[in-house]
Amino acid sequence: AQSVSQHNHHVILSEAASLELGCNYSYGGTVNLFWYVQYPGQHLQLLLKYFSGDPLVKGIKGFEAEFIKSKFSFNLRKPSVQWSDTAEYFCAVNLGTGGFKTIFGAGTRLFVKA
Amino acid sequence: DVKVTQSSRYLVKRTGEKVFLECVQDMDHENMFWYRQDPGLGLRLIYFSYDVKMKEKGDIPEGYSVSREKKERFSLILESASTNQTSMYLCASSWGQLGNQPQHFGDGTRLSIL
Repeated sequence: AQSVSQHNHHVILSEAASLELGCNYSYGGTVNLFWYVQYPGQHLQLLLKYFSGDPLVKGIKGFEAEFIKSKFSFNLRKPSVQWSDTAEYFCAVNLGTGGFKTIFGAGTRLFVKA
Repeated sequence: DVKVTQSSRYLVKRTGEKVFLECVQDMDHENMFWYRQDPGLGLRLIYFSYDVKMKEKGDIPEGYSVSREKKERFSLILESASTNQTSMYLCASSWGQLGNQPQHFGDGTRLSIL
């Protein structure tokens, strides 16, 4: 069965530290990839997405992610985190055969110390 | 901006009750989804609908049903609520007929079954 793995369930960083959150998926076909973020008390919102083309995609608030097809990975990065980045981050994979099924990872809770 | 509105933020019901969760979106999206979100498990798809009166089972449909009589409204029904259905329920919508577009989420309904 298809699955999405997020390696870290909890991450604690100090402000200005660099961030990398891992995401791997198990599916050999075409995929559409997403990172969503849920700030405390708010709804999930899209951070960035990859459909095709340049495997390095940039999203909102200085986040970026790199799709490495050979590694089935779509890791999220930010060079310098801020206290306001404290949130839960979800990686999601849509099986790109025209289907509606999007599989979400378990999420990574990021806490940034001021 | 897309608005997905869930009828209740918090709900407390008793075992055996029939429970209705309502969701309305204002962007004329074709597709609507119901997920439950549990710590450590991420989001799991219960049901989705790609058109009025159309519905498809997700990964965990047991104990749930849905209704989509109008394009903007998607209801989740717990036929006979049980304690293991205590969870956060998220509604989402997306446009397009391929199912691969980003989803827009509501604020969630935290449901407690006593």
